[in-house]
Amino acid sequence: DAGVIQSPRHEVTEMGQEVTLRCKPISGHDYLFWYRQTMMRGLELLIYFNNNVPIDDSGMPEDRFSAKMPNASFSTLKIQPSEPRDSAVYFCASSMGGGHGYTFGSGTRLTVV
Amino acid sequence: AQTVTQSQPEMSVQEAETVTLSCTYDTSENNYYLFWYKQPPSRQMILVIRQEAYKQQNATENRFSVNFQKAAKSFSLKISDSQLGDTAMYFCASLLNDYKLSFGAGTTVTVRA
Repeated sequence: DAGVIQSPRHEVTEMGQEVTLRCKPISGHDYLFWYRQTMMRGLELLIYFNNNVPIDDSGMPEDRFSAKMPNASFSTLKIQPSEPRDSAVYFCASSMGGGHGYTFGSGTRLTVV
Repeated sequence: AQTVTQSQPEMSVQEAETVTLSCTYDTSENNYYLFWYKQPPSRQMILVIRQEAYKQQNATENRFSVNFQKAAKSFSLKISDSQLGDTAMYFCASLLNDYKLSFGAGTTVTVRA
């Protein structure tokens, strides 16, 4: 298995632009998570899905953030419009549920200038 | 809300020596899971070790072992025979019944040659 695949690995964009981050979870994993990592706030859970359905989006910071999971093998996290304070590393992770822990992708480093 | 506390921001250890990282957590649940993740400079999040709360036996994975003290809500990680490749940030995390993994702030470990 190729693991959790995220793209792009790096993204630099100008303030006000739309940014879309992509994730392909491990096949057979029913849960998908989006995390944001910053120096100030550490690792924060933004949203998670179970069987493609959003279960908890309480960590999504603002309406500028949205996430979708149209099928079991693909999810997106969109920021529109982007702001400099959105600069962070965004991780996608997937899990079988239970106590198996998560498998993380390699993350997308987003820089908004 | 889950709270995971790592009180050591940084640790330094000589190659081949042993280092212990501390972690405490807060929960009223009886069944949960605890994890240690490693994040090297490549930023990939790697699962190091996993502990089920209902198991009294401490988990071990090669040179990595934990000291799980359920009553004290303590979950420390011991790295034996430290290697240069162990240099990374280490995160303690808890997983409760809501499937959300909560992370501590992390401990940066530097292994000196």
